[in-house]
Amino acid sequence: AQSVTQPDIHITVSEGASLELRCNYSYGATPYLFWYVQSPGQGLQLLLKYFSGDTLVQGIKGFEAEFKRSQSSFNLRKPSVHWSDAAEYFCAVGFIIQGAQKLVFGQGTRLTINP
Amino acid sequence: DSGVTQTPKHLITATGQRVTLRCSPRSGDLSVYWYQQSLDQGLQFLIQYYNGEERAKGNILERFSAQQFPDLHSELNLSSLELGDSALYFCASSARLAGAPINEQFFGPGTRLTVL
Repeated sequence: AQSVTQPDIHITVSEGASLELRCNYSYGATPYLFWYVQSPGQGLQLLLKYFSGDTLVQGIKGFEAEFKRSQSSFNLRKPSVHWSDAAEYFCAVGFIIQGAQKLVFGQGTRLTINP
Repeated sequence: DSGVTQTPKHLITATGQRVTLRCSPRSGDLSVYWYQQSLDQGLQFLIQYYNGEERAKGNILERFSAQQFPDLHSELNLSSLELGDSALYFCASSARLAGAPINEQFFGPGTRLTVL
């Protein structure tokens, strides 16, 4: 079955420090991978997506993610975090089953930024 | 602002009651998805509609139902409510993009349901 694991429930980093959020997926075919961000009281906003091609994808707000098929991973990175990046981050795998599109989300990683 | 609207923002009700959550997708989007987000279950897919027809079902309870109307707005009906139904309910919409293997889903701000 399709699943997504985000091993880190909560991460704290200092403002200006680099960030890496881990995501591992389980899916037999070519995965369609997404990272979403959820700010407090808000809906989910798409940061970036991977469908095919270059395994390093750029997203909004200075985020990037790298797809590594051998490790079944799609880790999210940012070289220098800002206080406004404090939020919850969700990795998701998308797939088509019986003609319908589905997304399976990880449990999320809550990011706290220290000033 | 994703362009997806949901009403109401908050809903407080009692066990055994029935509520209706409403979602208006982005202009032109034919697909609507409903998700439930709770502390213990995380973000779970409930159901999808495409142009008025049910397209896919996820972990949706029999006490829950949904529909999509001709103007493409959707409603999620929750009945015989239990304490465990307290959660954030999200609606998302997507458009069919030519050549895209899968479509980006745009999420609304959610409806927070509290069952007392």
